[in-house]
Amino acid sequence: DTGVSQDPRHKITKRGQNVTFRCDPISEHNRLYWYRQTLGQGPEFLTYFQNEAQLEKSRLLSDRFSAERPKGSFSTLEIQRTEQGDSAMYLCASSLFGSGEKLFFGSGTQLSVL
Amino acid sequence: DAKTTQPPSMDCAEGRAANLPCNHSTISGNEYVYWYRQIHSQGPQYIIHGLKNNETNEMASLIITEDRKSSTLILPHATLRDTAVYYCIVRGVNNNDMRFGAGTRLTVKP
Repeated sequence: DTGVSQDPRHKITKRGQNVTFRCDPISEHNRLYWYRQTLGQGPEFLTYFQNEAQLEKSRLLSDRFSAERPKGSFSTLEIQRTEQGDSAMYLCASSLFGSGEKLFFGSGTQLSVL
Repeated sequence: DAKTTQPPSMDCAEGRAANLPCNHSTISGNEYVYWYRQIHSQGPQYIIHGLKNNETNEMASLIITEDRKSSTLILPHATLRDTAVYYCIVRGVNNNDMRFGAGTRLTVKP
């Protein structure tokens, strides 16, 4: 069990550019979550997948954001036309449905939009 | 999900018990209480959860009042490495995400 891994750890981009983050969950976990966290705040839910199906999206997830989990394994989160307000830590978590919903988080991708 | 109220910050002496309170007065019967913590620059870490009975694991104990309107997370012998933000979350069985508040920033002092 290597835990949840996220790549990259840090991303600096210019406003208007597109960015993509990757999350590799714990291998046997069927649920995968994306959260966003800004300084001094708790993580905010963005979306989650069960296997390859995206089952819920927060209103925080504007149409510039898209997430995929094509084969029910790794997931990507893409932000198009980034804005300065997108600067945050993007956290991925995974869980095994039916096991008490313990979420295991990665260390996150810190995005800075200049 | 029921809302939770936690003090924004607390201090604890190293080696002493840290007791972190959480109010969840609007909790409903099928909602669980979860605790996570987040050490600086890391993702949140699951600690413990319970429905109505007290729970204990290798990390902590969770005490839920009989009316379930509040709970306390107990770290029996706090160490400097327990310095973190602690989140109390109430989640229903039919909900599919953990919704975090601002949490309690616990500082363990030598």
